Parts: sequence; structure tokens; C-alpha cells
Amino acid sequence: AQSVTQLDSQVPVFEEAPVELRCNYSSSVSVYLFWYVQYPNQGLQLLLKYLSGSTLVKSINGFEAEFNKSQTSFHLRKPSVHISDTAEYFCAVSLGGSQGNLIFGKGTKLSVKP
Amino acid sequence: EADIYQTPRYLVIGTGKKITLECSQTMGHDKMYWYQQDPGMELHLIHYSYGVNSTEKGDLSSESTVSRIRTEHFPLTLESARPSHTSQYLCASSPRAGAQYFGPGTRLLVL
Repeated sequence: AQSVTQLDSQVPVFEEAPVELRCNYSSSVSVYLFWYVQYPNQGLQLLLKYLSGSTLVKSINGFEAEFNKSQTSFHLRKPSVHISDTAEYFCAVSLGGSQGNLIFGKGTKLSVKP
Repeated sequence: EADIYQTPRYLVIGTGKKITLECSQTMGHDKMYWYQQDPGMELHLIHYSYGVNSTEKGDLSSESTVSRIRTEHFPLTLESARPSHTSQYLCASSPRAGAQYFGPGTRLLVL
């Protein structure tokens, strides 16, 4: 069965430090990959996505993720975090192309401390 | 980006009441979804739809039902609410290929 593993349930970091949130998936077929962010008492917001093409994708607020097919990973990184980045981050995989439902990881809580 | 709306945002209701959670999207997306999420926990897919008159059960068994009479509307109904239904319910939609776009969610508390 396909699955998504977010290796860290909580990641505390200091402001302006770099951060990496890890995501691995298991699948033998081609996938689409996504990162979502959820702020308290809100729905999920799409942060970035990989559908095809360049394996490095970037968001408008400084996050980036790299699709690594050999390691079946899609880790999320930011070189310098802000207090406002404190949120829960979900990795998701869509299997089977356009008709596949999303499979979500359990989420990683990023806490940025001053 | 999709515009997707959920009402109510918060609902407190007594056991045994019938409730309907509303979800509407204005982007003409074919697929729509309902997820259940307990605070600080992962998402569980409870229902989805490929289009009008299509409804499917998700991975998590749920006592709720859904309907899809119009493309833009995907309401979820609980015939008899119970305390175990207390949770956050998230609606999402997607075009045929690509990401899902989420509404703000409905927080349900059943007393």
C-alpha cells in the first residue's frame, strides 16, 4: 500500500535559522507531490507542488522542496525562518496521476522561537 | 487558486440533531472531497465526488452522507449527531489534475 511518512512530528527552531521538514513516500508508480500549510483554526493552504519538470520547486514565501525519485523523498526547506512560519505542515502524494486521491502524511508542527 | 466556502465555521449542537455542513466552490472543479481532522492530527478522507451525481466513500468510515446535485455544491449531512462526531470537517476541490484547494473548515462540537 502507498504511504507518506513525515519523519518528525515536531520541529522547534529559532528565528532566522534554517529548517528542513522531511517527507518520504512509498510508490512504484509516478506521483504528484504537494506540501500544504495549516495555521491554527484554518483550512489547508497549498504551499508548493511538483507535477513534472524541474525537480526543485519554490514557493513565494521562501520555501522550496526537491523531488528525489531515487530516495522517494520530497523534503521541504527554508534557509531562514520567521515567527510567522509557525504552523503545521502536511506532505501529500497523489498516485496514478490526475485521478488519484491525495494521501497525506501525519503532519509536522513547526515552532519558530524568537 | 480556488474559491471554496464552508458554512457554518463553528457549530455547537445537541446529541440527536440533524445537521448539514455546506461546501461550495466557484471554480467549476469536477472533484470535491470531505475530510475529518481532529485537532493537531492528520486528515482522514471520508467522502469524495468525481462530478455531478457521483459520490464515493473515503478511507475512514463515517456515518455522514453527501450529495452532489450541482457541480459547485457538496453538502455533508449527519442524520443524528453524536459526541463522537465532534471534529473539524474540511472540504476541498480540485480540477482533473493537480492540487486540492481547501475551504476554511467547520468546527463541530456535539454535546
